[in-house]
Formats: sequence, C-alpha cells, structure tokens
Amino acid sequence: EAQVTQNPRYLITVTGKKLTVTCSQNMNHEYMSWYRQDPGLGLRQIYYSMNVEVTDKGDVPEGYKVSRKEKRNFPLILESPSPNQTSLYFCASSSSYGRIRADTQYFGPGTRLTVL
Amino acid sequence: GENVEQHPSTLSVQEGDSAVIKCTYSDSASNYFPWYKQELGKGPQLIIDIRSNVGEKKDQRIAVTLNKTAKHFSLHITETQPEDSAVYFCAASLSGNTPLVFGKGTRLSVIA
Repeated sequence: EAQVTQNPRYLITVTGKKLTVTCSQNMNHEYMSWYRQDPGLGLRQIYYSMNVEVTDKGDVPEGYKVSRKEKRNFPLILESPSPNQTSLYFCASSSSYGRIRADTQYFGPGTRLTVL
Repeated sequence: GENVEQHPSTLSVQEGDSAVIKCTYSDSASNYFPWYKQELGKGPQLIIDIRSNVGEKKDQRIAVTLNKTAKHFSLHITETQPEDSAVYFCAASLSGNTPLVFGKGTRLSVIA
C-alpha cells in the first residue's frame, strides 16, 4: 500500500530534550516536506526537500532541522524543543520531474507533540 | 509571498443541504488550487483541485469554481452526508515551483 508513515504518532517531552520524528514514504517520491498544524493557523511549511541531500526552509524553520540522506526518509529534528513547538506535525511527499514538483501531495497520519 | 484567506472557519449544515467554502488568494501568479479534506486523526487528503486555465471542475458531489479576476475560488459540496464532516483546507501555489500555501481551514459539521 502506498503510504507515508510517521513515528511516533504521539510524543510528550520536556524542554531541551532532543527528539527526532521520522517520516518514510514507499512511493519513490523525490519531494518531501514537513508541516505543522496549529489551531487557527492552518498548515505551515517547516522544511522541504526536492531530492536526496537537497533541503530548503519553509515558512517556519526556526528551531527545526532536517536531513535527506535517503530518498524514502525525511526526519524532523528538534535539537532543543520548547513549549511553542507543541503542535501537530505532518510529513508529506510528492513526485517531481527534475526541478518541477508534482502538485498532489500525500500526507502522513500526523505526530502530536507536546513539549512541557 | 502568497496569502490565502479561508471562510468560514466553521460551518454546520443539515444532511442533504449544500455547503460552500470560499478562499481568496493574493498572488496573481498562482495557478494551482487544491482542496484537502482532513478527517479526525488523519492527515489531509486531496479531494479536488483546479488550475487557472479552468473555471469550474466537478467530481460527483463536489465542485470547485475559480474566479481569476477576483482571485477567489470556492468548494461546493451538494447533498451533504455525515461522512462529509471534516476539516477542509484550500491552498494555492505556482504549480510545480512554489510550496503550497494553505488557508486556515473550515470545520464542516453535517447534522443528521
């Protein structure tokens, strides 16, 4: 089954404790992206990657890191989480043709993160 | 950059009635306008999209209209059913080149 998976689905942590949220897709997509969803703010892009070893900042990258060492994986790293990073996080992927990203994005099920 | 406004933020309709959600965008260069449905506990899923060379697109009970001059587009759901209850997001981008910019979402409740 074609899908985007995220782990963990739920995480409660404390301020300053480094964490990683994993994202994996089995559709051989070149493009992957991370969003955060907050009440009243909708979906905002954190980082995206057009292909392996190519990453770019989205609208709200502060406090986050990403890496793209393999095509299928795109982990989101919070080096020193803070309470304002409490949110619902979504990973998404889509195919691309050279530098052109296909329009349809496929989203993972989400990771609910609480930072105390 | 692009800015997308979405209204209303919540919408309640009786089963069988129609629902309309409206979005406006700011960047006249945007040419791709998708709608995503997010059910409880799940990630958003594309339900319909429209490109700027088309004024209207239908898929069974859902349709999207686009007015490029006014820079707004709308989602229409007819004969609503309880399973249509979800959060709906509109988005806009320059196809293939710029990231999607999402509206803030509309929570649709269909009352049986």
